[in-house]
Amino acid sequence: GAVVSQHPSWVICKSGTSVKIECRSLDFQATTMFWYRQFPKQSLMLMATSNEGSKATYEQGVEKDKFLINHASLTLSTLTVTSAHPEDSSFYICSFGGALLNTEAFFGQGTRLTVV
Amino acid sequence: QKEVEQNSGPLSVPEGAIASLNCTYSDRGSQSFFWYRQYSGKSPELIMFIYSNGDKEDGRFTAQLNKASQYVSLLIRDSQPSDSATYLCAVNNQAGTALIFGKGTTLSVSS
Repeated sequence: GAVVSQHPSWVICKSGTSVKIECRSLDFQATTMFWYRQFPKQSLMLMATSNEGSKATYEQGVEKDKFLINHASLTLSTLTVTSAHPEDSSFYICSFGGALLNTEAFFGQGTRLTVV
Repeated sequence: QKEVEQNSGPLSVPEGAIASLNCTYSDRGSQSFFWYRQYSGKSPELIMFIYSNGDKEDGRFTAQLNKASQYVSLLIRDSQPSDSATYLCAVNNQAGTALIFGKGTTLSVSS
């Protein structure tokens, strides 16, 4: 299957700082990538859809100015958590595919963010 | 917001038994249905996908889809302790723009 590389896998940051998470598609070109957030014992919640060369589409309740998404190339999408707070501590996962018929979703390894 | 519902569990079965995981969804236009397994702290990994009504078998796993009832299930035969994980049901939306996940069912297989 397709390979999605997400980095870093684990990060601890201080409140008020920003953290950038990278998601790379290694063997395919992704015009659309998805960013999910997962709190403990909860499901994956779609945060936004990252579109190459255009603005991301955010789900209701997700602050676009806080969670900056950049999808400047067909192989790289980034999520920056700005002015992070402890409540932003979560597991962030990127993925490609799965939304259209006959496609499966391929996930990055996930990033465990802890804000202290 | 379209929804995907699962029993959170935990579902406990003895080793060798059949585990039955259920999922209902609200978007009648959904066409793709997936079962993912997720270990704690890890990304989901695909177990099975199903697009047509009926059963689909792959080894010890059988997915069942009933679009009229908006119901999809996963059967795990000869359950093993290594099957202990959270199982996520995922459904695409009608527009084909997003994959919606259920909260997952935690399965515990005891030896």
